[in-house]
Parts: sequence; C-alpha cells; structure tokens
Amino acid sequence: GQNIDQPTEMTATEGAIVQINCTYQTSGFNGLFWYQQHAGEAPTFLSYNVLDGLEEKGRFSSFLSRSKGYSYLLLKELQMKDSASYLCAVRETSSSASKIIFGSGTRLSIRP
Amino acid sequence: EAGVTQFPSHSVIEKGQTVTLRCDPISGHDNLYWYRRVMGKEIKFLLHFVKESKQDESGMPNNRFLAERTGGTYSTLKVQPAELEDSGVYFCASTQTGGVSTDTQYFGPGTRLTVL
Repeated sequence: GQNIDQPTEMTATEGAIVQINCTYQTSGFNGLFWYQQHAGEAPTFLSYNVLDGLEEKGRFSSFLSRSKGYSYLLLKELQMKDSASYLCAVRETSSSASKIIFGSGTRLSIRP
Repeated sequence: EAGVTQFPSHSVIEKGQTVTLRCDPISGHDNLYWYRRVMGKEIKFLLHFVKESKQDESGMPNNRFLAERTGGTYSTLKVQPAELEDSGVYFCASTQTGGVSTDTQYFGPGTRLTVL
C-alpha cells in the first residue's frame, strides 16, 4: 500500500536549524519532492531527490535514502517567513509516471 | 510568466447543487493534474490530463465528478450533485512534460469548496 509519514507539527526558533523527517512506503518510486505551503496558498516546490544523498539549495537541503524509504528536509538560519506547512510527496512508478502521493504535511512554527 | 490560475477561489453551495471549478495551466504545459485536500487529510491525486486526453483518472472518487479539458488548454472539474464530503480545497497543477522527467508540478492557489 501507500503510506507517507511525517510529523504533524514542529516548533523551532528563529536563526536555528530544523530537520523534518519523512518515511514512505509506496508501490513504486520515481523521486521524492518537498513542497512548502503557506496557509491559503499554493504548494510551492522546494526540492527533488531521485538518487541517494543530499541536495543543497541555499538555506534548504533535502536528503534521500531509498533503501530506508527515508528523507529529510533541513532548514538552516530559520526566518519567521519559514513558518508554513512542509509537504513530503513521492512520485510513483506507473504508466503515468507523474502521479504524486502526498504526506499530510508538517506544520512548522517559528518563534522569535 | 503567469502561473497556474484557478477560479473561483472560494465556492459555497448547498448539498445537491452543482459546482464547476476551472483551472488554467501555465501556457504551453501539456500536463494538467487535479488534486483535492479534504480537511485534516493529505492532498490526494484525482486525475491527470495530457493535452485533452485523460491519462489517469484513478483518483476520481465517484461518478459525481466530471473533468474535461476540451482543446487541451484549460480544464474544468464539475461536481454534480455535490455532497457534504466533497468539501475541501481543490488544487490544479501543471507540467510541461509528464514522463519520467524531473519536471516540477506547479500548483495553482486552489479552490476552497464548502458544501452545506
């Protein structure tokens, strides 16, 4: 079956570092996405991993281990505007290769 | 470049009524997706168009939902008749290609549907 797990809520302090974990079990795997979603807005793309390892993009990094079905999103030098929901999503392997399965999202709150 | 747009942003209807949601993908994007997020749940895939053809509609909940994309440009999602459990946010996303590429899906702002 399909299952993507991530913590429901996290809190962190401005200027600090936070790691949001995601574990997945899907019938196929063709890449993992992280999206950021502010309340009432569209999910916006943050990162994409299809091979094992760390992808760094400015203050945000994403890690993938396919053998463990595990990913994390690392946010550094946290800013108040980083308060948002972070969605882990897996693209399944199928005839229509772009079908994406989403986790429930992690609501991150940044405190001063 | 304009992003994915959706109309309306909000819709409040009564049970049994009909509602039509519209999505305009990014110009030139052949692939269009519909998703839905019900309160407290994860975003769930509904269907995928490649141009005007339905590539995958495995996520459509039942036959009260009808999606079209005549001409391969904008798409509509009609719910008829609407039920209480249809309430949620309906997102549309588009990509230029839809194969095994790494193309990112660009999301629209969503339509918040409330069925009373």
